[in-house]
Amino acid sequence: EVQLVESGGGLVQPGGSLRLSCAASGFTFRSYEMNWVRQAPGKGLEWISYISSSGAAIYYADSVRGRFTISRDNAKNSLYLQMNSLRAEDTALYYCARTAAGGLDYWGQGTLVTVSS
Amino acid sequence: QSALTQPASVSGSPGQSITISCTGTSNDVGSDKFVSWYQQHPGKAPKLMIYDVRNRPSGVSDRFSGSKSGNTASLTISGLQAEDEADYYCSSYTSYTTLVIFGGGTKLTVL
Repeated sequence: EVQLVESGGGLVQPGGSLRLSCAASGFTFRSYEMNWVRQAPGKGLEWISYISSSGAAIYYADSVRGRFTISRDNAKNSLYLQMNSLRAEDTALYYCARTAAGGLDYWGQGTLVTVSS
Repeated sequence: QSALTQPASVSGSPGQSITISCTGTSNDVGSDKFVSWYQQHPGKAPKLMIYDVRNRPSGVSDRFSGSKSGNTASLTISGLQAEDEADYYCSSYTSYTTLVIFGGGTKLTVL
């Protein structure tokens, strides 16, 4: 069974940093592209970052480029999101999601990030 | 870059069919890019319903179908059921510096 489990969320002050993790199981992690998608409270989905299976190709949404860094450790079956210079508008539920055939076919349950003083 | 445009809400009665539109540009929906649709129930993670414009993942009911014409993609749900009541999001890859964009979401109410 494919499972994606996010962790690392919490309350952080504006300007602070957090590192999110996504533990993958039930599939050959190193063979799949991965993404981070977030959802602010009561709002829609926002794609924020993509990483290819090898880690060689990376993309970011304009809203996080230069502040967030996506990475992966295929030996540990894990995906990461380093978030720096956090702002109030980064408050959201952060999901990791697997790419297959251009769609995001499996999603975790999300980890909540709250940026507030 | 703006999100794809979806109607804020649609509604239908059980057994009816509804269609949700998703309008983009020639750089995303209108190009040879992946278009997908997601269903999200309150408090739950999104679920992939359609990928690559018209393909259904295993386990998704054939009451759900996708299509595309020009810069607009569409999700049709036939034989509406109470459990179809949810938020629906379209998504497309794009030619811009970002890779993927979502629509703003459509709330489906089953009357």
